[in-house]
Amino acid sequence: KNQVEQSPQSLIILEGKNCTLQCNYTVSPFSNLRWYKQDTGRGPVSLTIMTFSENTKSNGRYTATLDADTKQSSLHITASQLSDSASYICVVRGPSGGYQKVTFGTGTKLQVIP
Amino acid sequence: GAGVSQSPRYKVTKRGQDVALRCDPISGHVSLYWYRQALGQGPEFLTYFNYEAQQDKSGLPNDRFSAERPEGSISTLTIQRTEQRDSAMYRCASSLARQASTEAFFGQGTRLTVV
Repeated sequence: KNQVEQSPQSLIILEGKNCTLQCNYTVSPFSNLRWYKQDTGRGPVSLTIMTFSENTKSNGRYTATLDADTKQSSLHITASQLSDSASYICVVRGPSGGYQKVTFGTGTKLQVIP
Repeated sequence: GAGVSQSPRYKVTKRGQDVALRCDPISGHVSLYWYRQALGQGPEFLTYFNYEAQQDKSGLPNDRFSAERPEGSISTLTIQRTEQRDSAMYRCASSLARQASTEAFFGQGTRLTVV
């Protein structure tokens, strides 16, 4: 069964510190992987998208890495801000029976405190 | 409209009743997705459409759940004979094209509570 597992489940860090969130997946074959940020009560918003051939991609203070061989991705947040407090969801897309299927991770809840 | 619109925003229903949730995607968006999200959990894929064609419904939990998008625009997710375990936030998303890399934009969701 295709799965996407994220760790840690929750994380509290001080404002200004860095952190790294992990995503391991078993989805195969693989099309792409997205990291989403979901503020409380809002819908997810895409941060980065990576395909099989990409190892790293940055979006401001967010940097995502992908190792397609080990099926692992990470999201690194630099110089965290209070507004980074949110759930971060890893979403993996892969073809299934001729169609595109998405599998969501359970998310990491990040809290940045002053 | 400017974004993905879902209605109603909140729905409380008695166990055993049928409910219909509506999603109005961004104008011109080809693909439309339905997800649900239990409190404190990540989103769970339900089904998606390209135009009016339902491409994948493998995420629908059982045959009480169905979805349609008859004219390739507005979609309705119907839950028959609701059960308490159906309580969740139901989200809809749309994307411009069928390509896998196209970003999906999410609606505010419908909070369904079955009592």
